[in-house]
Formats: sequence, C-alpha cells, structure tokens
Amino acid sequence: DSGVTQTPKHLITATGQRVTLRCSPRSGDLSVYWYQQSLDQGLQFLIQYYNGEERAKGNILERFSAQQFPDLHSELNLSSLELGDSALYFCASSVSGLAGVGYNEQFFGPGTRLTVL
Amino acid sequence: GQNIDQPTEMTATEGAIVQINCTYQTSGFNGLFWYQQHAGEAPTFLSYNVLDGLEEKGRFSSFLSRSKGYSYLLLKELQMKDSASYLCAVGGYQKVTFGTGTKLQVIP
Repeated sequence: DSGVTQTPKHLITATGQRVTLRCSPRSGDLSVYWYQQSLDQGLQFLIQYYNGEERAKGNILERFSAQQFPDLHSELNLSSLELGDSALYFCASSVSGLAGVGYNEQFFGPGTRLTVL
Repeated sequence: GQNIDQPTEMTATEGAIVQINCTYQTSGFNGLFWYQQHAGEAPTFLSYNVLDGLEEKGRFSSFLSRSKGYSYLLLKELQMKDSASYLCAVGGYQKVTFGTGTKLQVIP
C-alpha cells in the first residue's frame, strides 16, 4: 500500500459525459501528479500540482482539467468524453514539488479504470 | 523534449539473470528511475540513479552512463513474481517522462 488513495476504482460512462476522479496523496506529500495509461501505452504525464498550485503540464487535453484543494487532495475532471479516453488514470504523490530534480520518488495510487462506451 | 527507448518484451528463465536496457535522449537530466508494474496495478519504485555507475539493491541493480544516455536494470535470481513490466523514466525539467516499458515474462 503506497498510502495514495484514488476513487472510484472503476468508472463506466458514455461518450459526451463528464466524470471526476479523486486522489488523496500520502500524508506529508505536497505534490500530486496525474497520469493516463492506455492499453499497451506508457504512462503519459498529464499535470502536476504542488501545494495547491499548478506546477507542470504535460499532454493534457483541453477537455481535461485538474485542481488541488487546500487539504491537498486533487481532482481530475474529464469532460466531453470520447471512446479514446478509456484508460487507467493514475495519481502519484511526492514530498517535493520538483519532479525532475534530485531524489523525488513518486508513490502511485491504485488507479481508476475509466471505460467510455 | 524526452525520448526513451526500451525493448517491448523479454523472456527469461526462473533463477537466471536478465538485463533490461534503456536509452534516452533528453534536453535536461535530473536522474533516471526504474519502476515495476504488474498488469493492472500501480507502478512501484525500484531504483534511482543520478550519477554514473551501479546502484545495487538486493536482487536488483541499476546502472547509468550519462554520457551515453544509457541505463540498464539487472535482475538476478529471477522469480516467477518478477514477471511484470519494467518502466524506465527520466527526470527532466519539472517532470518525469516514462518509457513505454519492457514486459518481462519469467518462465519455469
């Protein structure tokens, strides 16, 4: 158990709909990262928040948005869903905010499996 | 940007040693990570290298050559539970970029 929690575990919805994925980081971690992993694809970095502020942005679609709240939990909002959005969505957390600097291990949550029908 | 290459699949025998290679091209480098991911599960951290050389941790070792843009993960005394994907990830400016992973199958 990494200490990172994600809800829901599974989500099935229809095209055009909007969903919200939730993540609670490990106690003491200030950074939250969101990743998308499609079948046979690598982990695609979407976005990072550090202590409530957006820190880095990856290949996140305009239909997707995220935020980090004062209690440090984060939500990823996916709207106008398409079939291609079906994937595993992982949240990870780390102590510091600079993901690429120094030893900054990321701890991953169990993921949310999104299926768009 | 970052470009990371690693073999798609490998097969090895239980009890043997396997080396998984990773090459990368990066516009900024702040360390290289290896993660293990079992199918449908979250990645888990294995190792981190920022200086050239070998880092050993039990049955797992990781090597880095920054000048060559090259790393490998060495797994010794393979066990069936080592069947998983192994992700090479490069720390760059403000983010970590993951490779597509090497799927290792350990056979009896």
